Amino acid sequence: NAGVTQTPKFRILKIGQSMTLQCTQDMNHNYMYWYRQDPGMGLKLIYYSVGAGITDKGEVPNGYNVSRSTTEDFPLRLELAAPSQTSVYFCASSTGQKNSPLHFGNGTRLTVT
Amino acid sequence: QKEVEQDPGPLSVPEGAIVSLNCTYSNSAFQYFMWYRQYSRKGPELLMYTYSSGNKEDGRFTAQVDKSSKYISLFIRDSQPSDSATYLCAMIYSGAGSYQLTFGKGTKLSVIP
Repeated sequence: NAGVTQTPKFRILKIGQSMTLQCTQDMNHNYMYWYRQDPGMGLKLIYYSVGAGITDKGEVPNGYNVSRSTTEDFPLRLELAAPSQTSVYFCASSTGQKNSPLHFGNGTRLTVT
Repeated sequence: QKEVEQDPGPLSVPEGAIVSLNCTYSNSAFQYFMWYRQYSRKGPELLMYTYSSGNKEDGRFTAQVDKSSKYISLFIRDSQPSDSATYLCAMIYSGAGSYQLTFGKGTKLSVIP
């Protein structure tokens, strides 16, 4: 099993550009999440989904959008990129039970200049 | 006061040392406690999970929870260079959804051969 796969691994954007961060999982997990990790700031939840067609905002959703058309895929869309969105983005999935682990991808490093 | 406090380090120890990593929290409703390990340029992975107060042991790792003091610890015995990583504590309260997992900022550990 590949687990959670994120693409691309790295990206440099100019201010105002848009892009989509891709995330796919092969564990048939209903729950999927997008986090951003800034140095010294821990993991902040951007958006999450409890199943196909259902998404909701996390702690820091502004400037981002998501969709969940299939169980496997949970893309994150950045519109009008800003320097404040420079970060490492992690996608994760889980069964949704509190005692089940979150399975993380290896992240997308995004720089906005 | 933030809900979860974790000393970011960095912490540097010689190989074979006993390592103690700690988090404090303010919300007494937290019931489930986890430690994630994150290697450089990788996503976090679940290392230990505990529910109740007391100790839980897994090989060289021991997770300790003291709910009366709102304090959790991760001990690593006979530390190895391969233990060099960032360790994130995480916790969630019993009535919460899995998306409400709260992470500490992480402690960066280096084990020197």
